[in-house]
Amino acid sequence: RKEVEQDPGPFNVPEGATVAFNCTYSNSASQSFFWYRQDCRKEPKLLMSVYSSGNEDGRFTAQLNRASQYISLLIRDSKLSDSATYLCVVNKNNFNKFYFGSGTKLNVKP
Amino acid sequence: DAGITQSPRHKVTETGTPVTLRCHQTENHRYMYWYRQDPGHGLRLIHYSYGVKDTDKGEVSDGYSVSRSKTEDFLLTLESATSSQTSVYFCAISEGQLYGYTFGSGTRLTVV
Repeated sequence: RKEVEQDPGPFNVPEGATVAFNCTYSNSASQSFFWYRQDCRKEPKLLMSVYSSGNEDGRFTAQLNRASQYISLLIRDSKLSDSATYLCVVNKNNFNKFYFGSGTKLNVKP
Repeated sequence: DAGITQSPRHKVTETGTPVTLRCHQTENHRYMYWYRQDPGHGLRLIHYSYGVKDTDKGEVSDGYSVSRSKTEDFLLTLESATSSQTSVYFCAISEGQLYGYTFGSGTRLTVV
């Protein structure tokens, strides 16, 4: 079983739509969770951390469900510029080593 | 931008030759990492470092070695390049597990 699993998509949505991605992780001792965004042929960039109580950054909302071992990312009012691959990242136990999901591809259409 | 640079950005090399990729940071972060990214596999950890001369293997370390003689530099060496090592290589730095990573721009390596 992979440490972190994501639906690869693609998710094809119109501008203005709300879209949500989930990511499951296998290690119940994981402590740190992040969402990264990666544009084609570019490096991944940190989108947001995921906190236990959930957190919001503009149109983006991240949630953590420890009981079911998944994190989610909600994007409201999708923009064309949101088109990218979104990577779920989870640390291993209490170490400074992280596991990446394979990514979920989002295409926002006009 | 965070101070992390990778060199070279692109390289084509022949099978059997040694190759060294360089990662340089100006952030004085303790942790440095080398990943490779391939279609269908996502990002996979090759080696990482938690301080000068302190390194450890990741999940795909066979055929690779690393060195960190200074805080700012982390070198990845392919001892004898093979076609299966054709990939995009990313270096990353971190202050600690609460902060996630910052990535370099990547090195596209092609082994022919």
